[in-house]
Amino acid sequence: EDQVTQSPEALRLQEGESSSLNCSYTVSGLRGLFWYRQDPGKGPEFLFTLYSAGEEKEKERLKATLTKKESFLHITAPKPEDSATYLCAVQAESGGSNYKLTFGKGTLLTVNP
Amino acid sequence: DAGVTQSPTHLIKTRGQQVTLRCSPKSGHDTVSWYQQALGQGPQFIFQYYEEEERQRGNFPDRFSGHQFPNYSSELNVNALLLGDSALYLCASSLGSGVRSYEQYFGPGTRLTVT
Repeated sequence: EDQVTQSPEALRLQEGESSSLNCSYTVSGLRGLFWYRQDPGKGPEFLFTLYSAGEEKEKERLKATLTKKESFLHITAPKPEDSATYLCAVQAESGGSNYKLTFGKGTLLTVNP
Repeated sequence: DAGVTQSPTHLIKTRGQQVTLRCSPKSGHDTVSWYQQALGQGPQFIFQYYEEEERQRGNFPDRFSGHQFPNYSSELNVNALLLGDSALYLCASSLGSGVRSYEQYFGPGTRLTVT
C-alpha cells in the first residue's frame, strides 16, 4: 500500500528564516510526486510535480527536490503570506491503471512577521 | 482561464439523508476525481470519472456514487449519511491522457456537515 509521511506536523518560522519540509514515501513504482499548498477551508493549490530522483523545481521562494525515498520543500526567506498547510502526494505506476493521489497529512507552516 | 468550480459551498444535512455535490472541471480537462478531507487529514481518494465511466475507486462504501455528464461535469452522491461523513469534499480535474495527465487541479471544495 502506498504511504506518505510528512514532517514536521507543524513549523513556526520568523520572517526571513529559511527551512525545509520533508515528505517520505513508499510506493511500488513512482509515477509522480506532487506538492500542494492549502489555505484554511479552501482546496489545495497545485505547486510542483516531480517525476524522477534528482529532479528540482522552483517557484518564487519555494524549491522542491526529489530522491528515491523522499522529497523536500525548501522555503527561502519566507514571508507571512507563505503561511499555509503544505501537502505532499504520490501517484504510483501500478501497471498504468492507477490514477489516484495518495496524500500525507500535511505540514502546517506559520511565518511570523 | 476558468478553474474547477464546485457547488454548493456549504451544506448541512441530517443523518440518514442523501446529498448531491456538483463539480465543473477546469477548461480543457475531461477527467474528474473526488476526494474526502477530514479535519487535520490529507485528502482521501473516493473515485475518478473519465469518459462518463468510473475508472478507479478508493476504499469507500457503495453509499458513495457518482456520475459524469457529456460536458465532463460530475456529481457525487452520498446516501444514508452518517456523522462520520462530515468533511470537506474536493473535486479535482485533469487530462484523461497525455504527458500532463498526472496533474490534478482542485476546486474550492464543499463543506458538508452531518448532524
